[in-house]
Amino acid sequence: ETGVTQTPRHLVMGMTNKKSLKCEQHLGHNAMYWYKQSAKKPLELMFVYNFKEQTENNSVPSRFSPECPNSSHLFLHLHTLQPEDSALYLCASSQTGTSGEPDTQYFGPGTRLTVL
Amino acid sequence: GNSVTQMEGPVTLSEEAFLTINCTYTATGYPSLFWYVQYPGEGLQLLLKATKADDKGSNKGFEATYRKETTSFHLEKGSVQVSDSAVYFCALDNYGQNFVFGPGTRLSVLP
Repeated sequence: ETGVTQTPRHLVMGMTNKKSLKCEQHLGHNAMYWYKQSAKKPLELMFVYNFKEQTENNSVPSRFSPECPNSSHLFLHLHTLQPEDSALYLCASSQTGTSGEPDTQYFGPGTRLTVL
Repeated sequence: GNSVTQMEGPVTLSEEAFLTINCTYTATGYPSLFWYVQYPGEGLQLLLKATKADDKGSNKGFEATYRKETTSFHLEKGSVQVSDSAVYFCALDNYGQNFVFGPGTRLSVLP
């Protein structure tokens, strides 16, 4: 399945580093999402973009900064992270607003982030 | 608000055993319901879905029926395989609102 791709797949960074996660969807969808998946915790929705506009920010710390330059690409810029930010970061996309169809979300493989 | 509750795992079964993973939901109106599966080291994959009451979603031998009267969407498979070992997430989408995922149920199938 190559509908939603994420790079890198693994990332190790120090607390003072700046890095970016990239997500690309090849499905022609108009909405993209960032989720955080930590061990033993439910999936947490972080950000939602509809038609490149951010529509949701679930009280995410400012050290996480999303960017959606177009409907196919989504970035998550990281700076001065904490060890508790170590998790699997999942990107998803969907086609919203299609009459009669649920907004099925399609996920990428995730980026496994470790903050030292 | 919308919420999804799943049975606590982990669930451990022998190969060819019958599987049931319970899922119940709370939502206003008529949400769509989903099961996603996450294999080790991978993202979530859509397994099946149902959009209205009494619909049955099915895929790869898995089935789930949308029961509005009991607000449930239990996942079943008649004969599990080792390759079915994964984490299973129940989810709902209430039109115009964000997806809500359950906490996930880890399934281990032993040979």
